[in-house]
Amino acid sequence: NAGVTQTPKFQVLKTGQSMTLQCAQDMNHNSMYWYRQDPGMGLRLIYYSASEGTTDKGEVPNGYNVSRLNKREFSLRLESAAPSQTSVYFCASSDPRTDTEAFFGQGTRLTVV
Amino acid sequence: GDSVTQMEGPVTLSEEAFLTINCTYTATGYPSLFWYVQYPGEGLQLLLKATKADDKGSNKGFEATYRKETTSFHLEKGSVQVSDSAVYFCALSVSGNYGGSQGNLIFGKGTKLSVKP
Repeated sequence: NAGVTQTPKFQVLKTGQSMTLQCAQDMNHNSMYWYRQDPGMGLRLIYYSASEGTTDKGEVPNGYNVSRLNKREFSLRLESAAPSQTSVYFCASSDPRTDTEAFFGQGTRLTVV
Repeated sequence: GDSVTQMEGPVTLSEEAFLTINCTYTATGYPSLFWYVQYPGEGLQLLLKATKADDKGSNKGFEATYRKETTSFHLEKGSVQVSDSAVYFCALSVSGNYGGSQGNLIFGKGTKLSVKP
């Protein structure tokens, strides 16, 4: 019962460094999402992918890029990390055609110093 | 645009107390409504959901009713336990493709609940 798997769980970056957060789901879901969670802000959508080969911006896309590598995998890339990107990042997946519930990964806690 | 407003926390209760966490929403169309729970150090888990007006979602003693007339989805539990200590998020699904939900969720800011023995 893996569900949604994110790696890494923790990461510290220096300002200007780049990194890619990985996400994979094994539920055959069409849609995948990246959210960030900040204190007092709830979760905000960064990017989503409604199906393999498509991606769209969410509420807070600046400073990020995504790749829907295949149906299972959806990665989030920070090209030049900034302290404002210090956050907890969650990947999620769902299949809106059959159920509105989204399943979440365990999160990646990223600190940019 | 669509939005969710939930009561600010933190909320501190004694074990066996009654819990209410208020949630109201603004949405075009007819969204599905959710309560997610986040235990310390973990991701979000679905607690309950309701997909249409007057539906009641329930799970683990928690309940919430989809009230279209008051655009509300308040979370209640009759008797909380220490193990219910967590952050609770109200959310709605964005209307869009697939004849209904697009899948994106809009979240409230979360309410931290602490239950003391």
